[in-house]
Amino acid sequence: EAGVAQSPRYKIIEKRQSVAFWCNPISGHATLYWYQQILGQGPKLLIQFQNNGVVDDSQLPKDRFSAERLKGVDSTLKIQPAKLEDSAVYLCASSLVQGGDTDTQYFGPGTRLTVL
Amino acid sequence: QKEVEQNSGPLSVPEGAIASLNCTYSDRGSQSFFWYRQYSGKSPELIMFIYSNGDKEDGRFTAQLNKASQYVSLLIRDSQPSDSATYLCAVGWRDQLIWGAGTKLIIKP
Repeated sequence: EAGVAQSPRYKIIEKRQSVAFWCNPISGHATLYWYQQILGQGPKLLIQFQNNGVVDDSQLPKDRFSAERLKGVDSTLKIQPAKLEDSAVYLCASSLVQGGDTDTQYFGPGTRLTVL
Repeated sequence: QKEVEQNSGPLSVPEGAIASLNCTYSDRGSQSFFWYRQYSGKSPELIMFIYSNGDKEDGRFTAQLNKASQYVSLLIRDSQPSDSATYLCAVGWRDQLIWGAGTKLIIKP
């Protein structure tokens, strides 16, 4: 079974530029999560999708971050414009169970973003 | 505010000894608990999960849960240098995980 795929693996941009990350979850997984992980901290949930609907985006900085999950499969996360404090690893995870239960989340390799 | 607390470490353990990692959580209604391992520069990978009070063993790993004390731990027996990593505790809430900041474990040869 293929795991969660993410691209790119690394990205370096200058502040005020834009960047996009892509995620393909494990086949059949209804729920998809985007996390931001800063060095030395645990993952911070940015947005949660169930199929192609948003379940929780309460911690997404909506003035600069956007995300979509068209057709309930692939997802993209965009930052525009980027700030220095956005330097982090962006992790995508997926889980099988939908609605009400906590299930194991499986992570992709992550995208390491450096904003100069 | 739901919180998960872990000692950041580093926790240094001699090779072959037992490593004990601890985690406390604030939400008394939590029902599911997960331990993930994260190597430097890599993404988190699941070690094991536990739902019921008591111990759950998987190879060299044992998870222990005490819901009354709101405490979950991970024991690693016969620690190996390859166990050196950051261990993340995560607590289930609805269909999300609330994450601790992780404990860095160093196994000394």
